[in-house]
Amino acid sequence: QSALTQPASVSGSPGQSITISCTGTSSDVGGYDFVSWYQQHPGKVPKLIIYDVTNRPSGISSRFSGSKTGNTASLTISGLQAEDEADYYCSSYTSRLTVIFGGGTKLTVL
Amino acid sequence: ELQLVESGGGLVQPGESVRLSCAASGITFVRDWMHWVRQAPGKGLVWVSRIKSDGSDTTYADSVKGRFTISRDNAKNMLYLQMNDLRAEDSAVYYCARLIRGSSLDIWGQGTMVTVSS
Repeated sequence: QSALTQPASVSGSPGQSITISCTGTSSDVGGYDFVSWYQQHPGKVPKLIIYDVTNRPSGISSRFSGSKTGNTASLTISGLQAEDEADYYCSSYTSRLTVIFGGGTKLTVL
Repeated sequence: ELQLVESGGGLVQPGESVRLSCAASGITFVRDWMHWVRQAPGKGLVWVSRIKSDGSDTTYADSVKGRFTISRDNAKNMLYLQMNDLRAEDSAVYYCARLIRGSSLDIWGQGTMVTVSS
């Protein structure tokens, strides 16, 4: 099963907003409200920042938000900060009872 | 709070086997579904396997099905990944992680590196 499709890179200036897309199929992203997003800084462990499409775990900034339309989920980061520079991964539950990740998006804060 | 610590990685030759362990601390392990996720150097996250809280249900990625076996010992708060017939493409950092719901993995170990090379 191929990975969910994410842009390889996105960039933005401090204070701006960016959106990262995550495209799958009706067998994963489109079929379930079980999309998650992870932030991973270089050499660090992935950190859950969004679960069930729109929910933020305790302690995650409200600058991070998630949404979904059809087979595409999106992560929006508002008020970009230097510390947001990291790799971001989406994931989804699938009809095969597995989990699938996106290929990852490198966010650069200019 | 639940913490996860992996061990067992190292350098192995193609075709060999290795067992990874993941030690959980905290009181919720016995009720949690657990997963293994891997990440090759410089590459993205790839889901490997999952196991139900009581060990009665397991699922695998196609790339490891028939070669890897996930198991757990709830009495010892331990998760395992038995990896057989290893290939170069299995080289990666292997993370164990706890599932909270759906596809959401909220607690991750620090990872253990497996290198498959002759």
